[in-house]
Amino acid sequence: EVQLVQSGAEVKKPGESLKISCKGSGYSFTNYWIAWVRQMPGKGLEWMGLIYPGTSDIRYSPSFQGQVTISADKSINTAYLQWSSLQASDTAMYFCARRGDSRLFDPWGQGTLVTVSS
Amino acid sequence: QSALTQPASVSGSPGQSITISCTGTSSDVGGYNYVSWYQQHPGKAPKLLIYDVSNRPSGISNRFSGSKSGNTASLTISGLQAEDEADYYCNSYAGSSTLYVFGTGTKVTVL
Repeated sequence: EVQLVQSGAEVKKPGESLKISCKGSGYSFTNYWIAWVRQMPGKGLEWMGLIYPGTSDIRYSPSFQGQVTISADKSINTAYLQWSSLQASDTAMYFCARRGDSRLFDPWGQGTLVTVSS
Repeated sequence: QSALTQPASVSGSPGQSITISCTGTSSDVGGYNYVSWYQQHPGKAPKLLIYDVSNRPSGISNRFSGSKSGNTASLTISGLQAEDEADYYCNSYAGSSTLYVFGTGTKVTVL
């Protein structure tokens, strides 16, 4: 079974750093792009960026370029999303998803809730 | 890149059919046959329903169907059931610069 399992919920203070993870299993992790998607409380889905673990090729949405860093460790089938200095506006649920052969996103991870509050 | 435009809400009675529209531009929906649709129940991760405009993954009910005309894609749910009550999002490939864009989302209510 193809599966993406994300790290647990985080509560952080403004200005702190954070790295959340997304571990793939049941398929060749290096051969599929992994996407990150933000969902702010009560709002819609926003595409943040993609990484191809096989080569670490990364593409960012213009809206998120410079705001977050996407990376991957193919030796442990894990992709990451990180912030160097969190803001309250980063409070959201973050999903990872595998990009399929035809520009679809499936499956999705269960989501990681990030709460930033002083 | 602006989000694709979807109606905020659509409702229908059990057994009826409803259609959700997803309007973009010639740079996204109208320019590529890479529109996908996702269903999201409260507190859950999105689930793929339709890809490449009109294709259903295995395991997805044939009550869900997709189409496209010009810059507008559509998702039709026939034989509406209580379990279809959820949020629905479209997504389109938008070229090598922007890559992807989601729709604003539609809340489906089963009356």
